[in-house]
Amino acid sequence: GAVVSQHPSWVICKSGTSVKIECRSLDFQATTMFWYRQFPKQSLMLMATSNEGSKATYEQGVEKDKFLINHASLTLSTLTVTSAHPEDSSFYICSARVYWANQETQYFGPGTRLLVL
Amino acid sequence: QKEVEQNSGPLSVPEGAIASLNCTYSDRGSQSFFWYRQYSGKSPELIMSIYSNGDKEDGRFTAQLNKASQYVSLLIRDSQPSDSATYLCAVTRSGYSTLTFGKGTMLLVSP
Repeated sequence: GAVVSQHPSWVICKSGTSVKIECRSLDFQATTMFWYRQFPKQSLMLMATSNEGSKATYEQGVEKDKFLINHASLTLSTLTVTSAHPEDSSFYICSARVYWANQETQYFGPGTRLLVL
Repeated sequence: QKEVEQNSGPLSVPEGAIASLNCTYSDRGSQSFFWYRQYSGKSPELIMSIYSNGDKEDGRFTAQLNKASQYVSLLIRDSQPSDSATYLCAVTRSGYSTLTFGKGTMLLVSP
């Protein structure tokens, strides 16, 4: 299957700082990537859809000024958590959509665990 | 509202048995169907994808799709303790829509 990487895998930061998370498709190009958040023992929650070369589409209730998404190339999308607070501590996971033979699949990155102190 | 329903479990099976996981969806326009496995503390891993009615087999895994009944299932043969995880069913309508996930079924395979 296709490989999606994320960096960093772990980040600890102080309240008020900004944190950037990278999501890369390693062996394919992805015009569309997705950002999810998952709290312990809860379901995946879609935050936004990231489209290469255009603005991201945010899900209802997700603050676009707090969670900045940039999809500057066909292999890289970044999520920046601005002015992070302890309630932003979570597991952030990206995925990339792949089309093969007219069929689509989504592959997930390994996730980034964020702890805001 | 598009919904994907799964039994939350846990589904407990002994090692070597067949585990049967089920999923129903509400959107008749759904075209692509996926099973993801998620270990505790890890991200989802794609196990199977299925796009047309019938069965699709890959090793110990078989996905079954019945669009008329809006039902998709995953069979795991010769279950192993390492199969213990939460299995997420996900569907999507087309290339321009997002995945809709079920809440997942926890599978426990006992040695």
